[in-house]
Amino acid sequence: EAGVAQSPRYKIIEKRQSVAFWCNPISGHATLYWYQQILGQGPKLLIQFQNNGVVDDSQLPKDRFSAERLKGVDSTLKIQPAKLEDSAVYLCASSLGLAGGANVLTFGAGSRLTVL
Amino acid sequence: DAKTTQPNSMESNEEEPVHLPCNHSTISGTDYIHWYRQLPSQGPEYVIHGLTSNVNNRMASLAIAEDRKSSTLILHRATLRDAAVYYCILRDGFGNEKLTFGTGTRLTIIP
Repeated sequence: EAGVAQSPRYKIIEKRQSVAFWCNPISGHATLYWYQQILGQGPKLLIQFQNNGVVDDSQLPKDRFSAERLKGVDSTLKIQPAKLEDSAVYLCASSLGLAGGANVLTFGAGSRLTVL
Repeated sequence: DAKTTQPNSMESNEEEPVHLPCNHSTISGTDYIHWYRQLPSQGPEYVIHGLTSNVNNRMASLAIAEDRKSSTLILHRATLRDAAVYYCILRDGFGNEKLTFGTGTRLTIIP
């Protein structure tokens, strides 16, 4: 089974520039997540999609971050304009969306963003 | 999601068993206990989960206290590849599917 694909793996930009990250989840996985992981911390959920609808975006800084999941498959996460504090690894994960607490998430390798 | 408490770091010798503790004194009756680990420069990966009974799989064992206020992840024979950050996470069986991560336990394996 192919895993969760993310690109690019690394990106360096200057502050106030824009950047976009792409995620292709495991085939058939209805739920897709974007997490932000700052160095030394655990991942923090930014947004969760169920098919192409947003389930939870309560921690997404909506003034600069946006995400979409067209056709309920691939997803993009955009930051515009970037700030120094956005330097982090952006992780995409997907799951079958099973009911109950047994649902397992599969994560991609992440996209490391450095903002100078 | 209910909160968990884990030691910041642990060390273990290679080829010996490792017991990683997790306290979750405010766990509710519908909370599942999940463990994920994150190897260097990789995304987190699922290890094991349980509700009330002890669980075993090819990666590890999960021992859950009778009152469910604590649990222990057991790696039966640690290898250098097991060096990672281990996260203990509670997930509500009737709530959102999302995972809420803490800071985890950084496990170092000594050759």
